[in-house]
Amino acid sequence: AQKVTQAQTEISVVEKEDVTLDCVYETRDTTYYLFWYKQPPSGELVFLIRRNSFDEQNEISGRYSWNFQKSTSSFNFTITASQVVDSAVYFCALSDAPSGTYKYIFGTGTRLKVLA
Amino acid sequence: DAGVTQSPTHLIKTRGQQVTLRCSPKSGHDTVSWYQQALGQGPQFIFQYYEEEERQRGNFPDRFSGHQFPNYSSELNVNALLLGDSALYLCASSLAIAGVETQYFGPGTRLLVL
Repeated sequence: AQKVTQAQTEISVVEKEDVTLDCVYETRDTTYYLFWYKQPPSGELVFLIRRNSFDEQNEISGRYSWNFQKSTSSFNFTITASQVVDSAVYFCALSDAPSGTYKYIFGTGTRLKVLA
Repeated sequence: DAGVTQSPTHLIKTRGQQVTLRCSPKSGHDTVSWYQQALGQGPQFIFQYYEEEERQRGNFPDRFSGHQFPNYSSELNVNALLLGDSALYLCASSLAIAGVETQYFGPGTRLLVL
């Protein structure tokens, strides 16, 4: 069965600190996709990144970076020099659509509070 | 380019009533998925519609039903509302290319059942 675990319920940091959000997943499939979404107080889930299981290269986008490690089934998300606008709930999700399952399995989310 | 839109934004119903939520997908997308997000939890998959058919269903009772129209917009219907149906209902649209897709979400409908 597929499962996504985000063990950190809530993290508080001071502005300009770096912060890493952890995501551990479980799946029996060899082909799958991993995602990160941001959910600000307005409620809309904002897509941040998609990663396929065959590409373990780390990715950087501005202050955001992602570390995908198949050996530990982890897909961690780091925000460098955090800002107050980064305050939100962040969700990691898993999809194994190539095997015919179209739903996304979400973790329980990590609430990030960035203090000024 | 309009993103995913949902209506209404908020809704208050009483137990036993029925509710219909609406979703318009992002331009160019042909697939709509619905999720329920309880307070403090991650979204839970309800079902997905593609080519006007329910393609996959999550672990939700038959009180939850849906429809997709020829213009790809979709409705979620919930009958015989329970207090536990109070949640944020999220619609996501996508377009699969070579089997790869990303779901883009709307702002959601907050349903409160009293």
